[in-house]
Amino acid sequence: DAGVIQSPRHEVTEMGQEVTLRCKPISGHNSLFWYRQTMMRGLELLIYFNNNVPIDDSGMPEDRFSAKMPNASFSTLKIQPSEPRDSAVYFCASSAGQEYNEQFFGPGTRLTVL
Amino acid sequence: GENVEQHPSTLSVQEGDSAVIKCTYSDSASNYFPWYKQELGKGPQLIIDIRSNVGEKKDQRIAVTLNKTAKHFSLHITETQPEDSAVYFCAASIDQAGTALIFGKGTTLSVSS
Repeated sequence: DAGVIQSPRHEVTEMGQEVTLRCKPISGHNSLFWYRQTMMRGLELLIYFNNNVPIDDSGMPEDRFSAKMPNASFSTLKIQPSEPRDSAVYFCASSAGQEYNEQFFGPGTRLTVL
Repeated sequence: GENVEQHPSTLSVQEGDSAVIKCTYSDSASNYFPWYKQELGKGPQLIIDIRSNVGEKKDQRIAVTLNKTAKHFSLHITETQPEDSAVYFCAASIDQAGTALIFGKGTTLSVSS
């Protein structure tokens, strides 16, 4: 398996623009997680899905952020409108969803909002 | 909600020495405590984990201890090697199945030869 796939790997955009980050989890995994990593705040859980259903989105910073998982093999994290403080590395991770299972992280998307 | 504190934020050791990273958590309901290692430019990767019904677990040069009463858990790396240099994160589960995690802020470990 290719592991968790994220695209794009790097994104540079201007304040106010819409940004869409994409994730393909490992085949057969039924839990998917979105994280944001910054120097100041570390690795923050934004939202996670079980069987394509959002379970906990309490980590989503504000209404400008939204996430979807239309099927078991694809998820998006959208920021609209983007702001400079959204600059961070965004990771997607997936797990088999059974108890105490390892989360497998993608390579991340480095987002820079100018 | 759960809060995980991790110390130290940076740690420098000589090759062959031991390294210890400590974490505390706030929610007594947490029952799963994994440790992840992140190398430069990559996503974190699980290196060892422990469940709340176990006090200690060892895997070659890596060991983790858990004190549920004090809500402390620690990572111990013995005989450190330069390839151990990375950022290490502790985490605690926020659901009963151990599916979702809250991470500490990380420890940057540097091993010099």
